Amino acid sequence: GAVVSQHPSWVICKSGTSVKIECRSLDFQATTMFWYRQFPKQSLMLMATSNEGSKATYEQGVEKDKFLINHASLTLSTLTVTSAHPEDSSFYICSANLLANTDTQYFGPGTRLTVL
Amino acid sequence: GQQVMQIPQYQHVQEGEDFTTYCNSSTTLSNIQWYKQRPGGHPVFLIQLVKSGEVKKQKRLTFQFGEAKKNSSLHITATQTTDVGTYFCAPAVIGDYKLSFGAGTTVTVRA
Repeated sequence: GAVVSQHPSWVICKSGTSVKIECRSLDFQATTMFWYRQFPKQSLMLMATSNEGSKATYEQGVEKDKFLINHASLTLSTLTVTSAHPEDSSFYICSANLLANTDTQYFGPGTRLTVL
Repeated sequence: GQQVMQIPQYQHVQEGEDFTTYCNSSTTLSNIQWYKQRPGGHPVFLIQLVKSGEVKKQKRLTFQFGEAKKNSSLHITATQTTDVGTYFCAPAVIGDYKLSFGAGTTVTVRA
């Protein structure tokens, strides 16, 4: 099946620092990846759609300068949380569509970010 | 994305009993997907429903898409402890591969 990995699985950082999260599709190519954020006991909120070779599309209310997304290859998308603050602490999850089936999304294991 | 309401938000079930979770939309959906997220885990794809009135089964799980394609349900029979988790419905729009997740139904099981 389609496998998506994320790195790191968890990270703790100081307020004001930047954190990069990687999302990789291990056994398939993904022209489109998605980044979600999930707060405790809440649903997944789509932050942005990452498109290989082009700029990401951000959802309303998501600051593009704060959450930098780069989709440099068909198997890798990165999310950088710049100048992180405690309110950015959350569970960040990426997903990817298979090229042949663009409806179903396969999710990475998530990255738990804690900003002190 | 499409907005959906999921009910109930929480479901406490006695092991062996059946339960149903519902996903309702005010607009017609092109298709709907269901995902399961175990505590501490990530969402895992369960099923996609596309056709009006479609019913699909996966062992003890039965998924249904309403005739008007405005609602969907997930019915679990003979609940087991392995069914613990949050079940999300997520409608998709043709040509827009984004998903909009419902609030989810969190299921706990009493042994």
